[in-house]
Amino acid sequence: AQSVTQLGSHVSVSEGALVLLRCNYSSSVPPYLFWYVQYPNQGLQLLLKYTSAATLVKGINGFEAEFKKSETSFHLTKPSAHMSDAAEYFCAVSEASRDDKIIFGKGTRLHILP
Amino acid sequence: EADIYQTPRYLVIGTGKKITLECSQTMGHDKMYWYQQDPGMELHLIHYSYGVNSTEKGDLSSESTVSRIRTEHFPLTLESARPSHTSQYLCASSESRTILMGYWGANVLTFGAGSRLTVL
Repeated sequence: AQSVTQLGSHVSVSEGALVLLRCNYSSSVPPYLFWYVQYPNQGLQLLLKYTSAATLVKGINGFEAEFKKSETSFHLTKPSAHMSDAAEYFCAVSEASRDDKIIFGKGTRLHILP
Repeated sequence: EADIYQTPRYLVIGTGKKITLECSQTMGHDKMYWYQQDPGMELHLIHYSYGVNSTEKGDLSSESTVSRIRTEHFPLTLESARPSHTSQYLCASSESRTILMGYWGANVLTFGAGSRLTVL
């Protein structure tokens, strides 16, 4: 069975500082991994996805994530936080199989301090 | 520019009322989904559809019902709303997956902006 754990329901960083949002997954078959972002009063928007090609995945707005199979992790990073990055971030996992099911984490709310 | 539209965005109603949350997409996607979102919780799948006249219940039990009479339209209905139904409801869609070198492609969801329902 698949599962996703996001460490930290709230993360605060100063503007210009490194952003690191943690995600660990479990999956019995090769996984697909996603990060979605949700801005206030909006739906979720795909930030980036890992589909078994390059382990370092680049997404929109300067975000990237690295798939580490040995650590079962898919942490999201951005070198320099911007005020506009304040949002909720969801990690999700699905399988490279016929099963369409997508499992979402509980989300991490990112606060940017001026 | 949204390709999947939800109305109403906000709804406050009294207990016992019937409500319908509308969801339409212009991308021609076969698959559509309804998720329930509560603060600090995972998104829970409550309904999904793989095409016209196809509807299935998701992982989270819900008293709501859905219909899929047209590809682009996937409304959710509550016959008698209760305070326990207060939540945010997110509609999503995705295109059919293809298989390549033995692996199915990733299922990427496009979400609407959500309908926030408050039942008094």
